[in-house]
Amino acid sequence: GAGVSQSPSNKVTEKGKDVELRCDPISGHTALYWYRQSLGQGLEFLIYFQGNSAPDKSGLPSDRFSAERTGGSVSTLTIQRTQQEDSAVYLCASSLVLGQGAETQYFGPGTRLLVL
Amino acid sequence: DAKTTQPTSMDCAEGRAANLPCNHSTISGNEYVYWYRQIHSQGPQYIIHGLKNNETNEMASLIITEDRKSSTLILPHATLRDTAVYYCIVRPQGGSEKLVFGKGMKLTVNP
Repeated sequence: GAGVSQSPSNKVTEKGKDVELRCDPISGHTALYWYRQSLGQGLEFLIYFQGNSAPDKSGLPSDRFSAERTGGSVSTLTIQRTQQEDSAVYLCASSLVLGQGAETQYFGPGTRLLVL
Repeated sequence: DAKTTQPTSMDCAEGRAANLPCNHSTISGNEYVYWYRQIHSQGPQYIIHGLKNNETNEMASLIITEDRKSSTLILPHATLRDTAVYYCIVRPQGGSEKLVFGKGMKLTVNP
């Protein structure tokens, strides 16, 4: 079946410009996560959605970062006034939410963002 | 902070079993052990997870010690395509907890 998809695959932008990154989760997955991976760094959590709500935004690094999710499906991560340190791979994951038991997160291929 | 420790790297010969260790001495009773891997330039790929019992799927086997303080991921017949960074993660049962990735372990499968 279809996995998590992300677009664009690659994005090059100039410092100061805004960018939008898109994530399409696996159909039926109500939980959606954004992570980022900077060059040579580990993966760090950014934000978690349950449905259209974001109960955990603790990983967003600054107020230039925001995310929304509509219709309990597609999510957009927006970075305003991009800085060079925002260059990274932005990864999206989705999972089912069940009453009990851990829910496995499945990742998309990522969007590689380069800020010049 | 990651609650697991793994070797930085490991080599394995193609066709042989790769045994990847992980220590999680502070694991709580309701925390699962998850394994993911990340092949260069790709998103993390789920491999397997377990709570207490050993688990096996089409990709790998997971052996968890009785005290649950360590585990081993076994790739029974490693191939060159198994070369990747492998992450061992502990995560609470239920809810939708974020994954906390450590540095992982680079497995290189050699021909």
